[in-house]
Amino acid sequence: AQRVTQPEKLLSVFKGAPVELKCNYSYSGSPELFWYVQYSRQRLQLLLRHISRESIKGFTADLNKGETSFHLKKPFAQEEDSAMYYCALDIQGAQKLVFGQGTRLTINP
Amino acid sequence: EAGVTQSPTHLIKTRGQQATLRCSPISGHTSVYWYQQALGLGLQFLLWYDEGEERNRGNFPPRFSGRQFPNYSSELNVNALELEDSALYLCASSLAKRVRGQPQHFGDGTRLSIL
Repeated sequence: AQRVTQPEKLLSVFKGAPVELKCNYSYSGSPELFWYVQYSRQRLQLLLRHISRESIKGFTADLNKGETSFHLKKPFAQEEDSAMYYCALDIQGAQKLVFGQGTRLTINP
Repeated sequence: EAGVTQSPTHLIKTRGQQATLRCSPISGHTSVYWYQQALGLGLQFLLWYDEGEERNRGNFPPRFSGRQFPNYSSELNVNALELEDSALYLCASSLAKRVRGQPQHFGDGTRLSIL
């Protein structure tokens, strides 16, 4: 089965605190994973892709095949990080993304 | 660079009617994808078009259909509308024969409301 699970619908942390948004996947093939973000009144946009191993806006995500996870982390949260975050799995050959249910992150001042 | 554009922004229909949603991809992108974001169900893959052909579809009934035009823009048609079709419909585009790891770029969506 191809599935992406984001166990937290809501996550609230204080400004300056570390943030971790969890993502677990189920996929028999070689996984390719993304994090997308949707800020208030904006469109869904790419934040990170695991293949490029980049850091965007201070966020990083490491693919752990043993734990089938792709958690998104930031050491010091900022108020502008408040948004909806989606983890997505790229299905090989099908050219489709399977999305998790999303986590709404709120950064408190 | 202009992003993916979708029209209309909002569409209100009644049960049994037909809806047509439109999408223009980013210039240079030839693949177009449609997703449904219904309340409580998250983002679900609907259709993928590439080079004018339907290449893949998600687990949706045949009354969800579409097409891709020679300029790579796309239409999503939903026939015999049902109340549960009320959702945000997102269009995305990518380069042709997308290499895995290459992202899809999303539009703002069309909110379809069925009365």
